[in-house]
Amino acid sequence: QKEVEQNSGPLSVPEGAIASLNCTYSDRGSQSFFWYRQYSGKSPELIMFIYSNGDKEDGRFTAQLNKASQYVSLLIRDSQPSDSATYLCAVKPGGTSYGKLTFGQGTILTVHP
Amino acid sequence: KAGVTQTPRYLIKTRGQQVTLSCSPISGHRSVSWYQQTPGQGLQFLFEYFSETQRNKGNFPGRFSGRQFSNSRSEMNVSTLELGDSALYLCASSFRTGNGYTFGSGTRLTVV
Repeated sequence: QKEVEQNSGPLSVPEGAIASLNCTYSDRGSQSFFWYRQYSGKSPELIMFIYSNGDKEDGRFTAQLNKASQYVSLLIRDSQPSDSATYLCAVKPGGTSYGKLTFGQGTILTVHP
Repeated sequence: KAGVTQTPRYLIKTRGQQVTLSCSPISGHRSVSWYQQTPGQGLQFLFEYFSETQRNKGNFPGRFSGRQFSNSRSEMNVSTLELGDSALYLCASSFRTGNGYTFGSGTRLTVV
């Protein structure tokens, strides 16, 4: 089992729809969870981070965390063509793991007009 | 506020050579991590430095090494390059680990 797994893509949604990106992780000791966006040919850009169970909202983005189910998700409301990118779920492992984030393989999102 | 700066942006090297990549973190950030990104393996952690000390290391061979200077700037070195080392090398800095990392633009290394 991979340490961090994301729903296989690519994911295609129409403009204005809600895009739902999912991620599961295997380390129950994980404490911090991050969503990054990576445009083709660019470096990852931090969208949100979440530590506590429940929802965290930032503009059109909502991160959801369920530690019991070892599940984290990202919802993008009112999706725009500019949201088309690869979305990376990253988890900070438990224990002494300075600086290390474990990334999922990414989900490619395409928002079509 | 300047972001994370990586130099050079592109490199082409021959098998067997060595290479040094540079990273200047965001001002005030003392933690610097390095990652390798390839299409097949995705983003993989190489190592992390804080106050000139390597605190964590990923599962890479000893050919991959790094260091951090007193001004928090960091370098990574790859010796005896192999074709499989061709990748995008990303540096990321953080003030507090829990707040996530800001990535630089990366160095695209091609080994021929």
